[in-house]
Amino acid sequence: QLVLTQSPSASASLGASVKVTCTLSSGHSTYAIAWHQKQPEKGPRYLMKVNSDGSHIKGDGIPDRISGSSSGTERYLIISSLQSEDEADYYCQTWDTAIQVFGGGTKLTVL
Amino acid sequence: QVHLQESGPGLVKPSETLSLTCTVSGGSVSNGDYFLAWTRQAPGRGLEWIGSIYFSQTTYYNPSLKSRVTISADTSKNQFSLKLKSVTAADTAVYYCARGDKRGTAYGGSLDMWGQGTVVSVSS
Repeated sequence: QLVLTQSPSASASLGASVKVTCTLSSGHSTYAIAWHQKQPEKGPRYLMKVNSDGSHIKGDGIPDRISGSSSGTERYLIISSLQSEDEADYYCQTWDTAIQVFGGGTKLTVL
Repeated sequence: QVHLQESGPGLVKPSETLSLTCTVSGGSVSNGDYFLAWTRQAPGRGLEWIGSIYFSQTTYYNPSLKSRVTISADTSKNQFSLKLKSVTAADTAVYYCARGDKRGTAYGGSLDMWGQGTVVSVSS
């Protein structure tokens, strides 16, 4: 069964960098995922698609300080030069044929 | 620029049917490169996929909701709709419509465009 696992929380200081991890279930190491940002009272915002080879395709207007990478069954969202506006929930999403799957989300706190 | 906007009643009574519409502007719901999806987020919970519809009118649903969900599209109005029957308090959530990019795949893909969401409460 395809499952995405995320740590419930992460934190980093203003101006620092943070790596948020999404782990695919065993046997699904070739799957791509997408990252989404969810701020309170706003709709989700698509950030990027991360492929198994680490290549990523960002959505319109996503700044260069936000990037993605991959290793085995792990997919990463990397945010550098953290800003207060980055404080949000981050969700990974993937698909198996037409079935969409979301991770449980990671709440990022900017200290 | 594609824009998605949800609309529908904000309050539904238990056991009744929740009905929402998503209006797509700046793009066609018939574009075969994309599919359309409904998701939701209950209070204090994460995002949950409800179902998707493709340009062929083929639909796929979350197995946990499949018996209660119907998604359809009206290409003449560039809209797609969600019906969820027999609702309970557990269906109280913010409902989002989204566009999925299926280029390079037969089905499925990244949800690359989202609506702002609409709050639906289930209460008598």
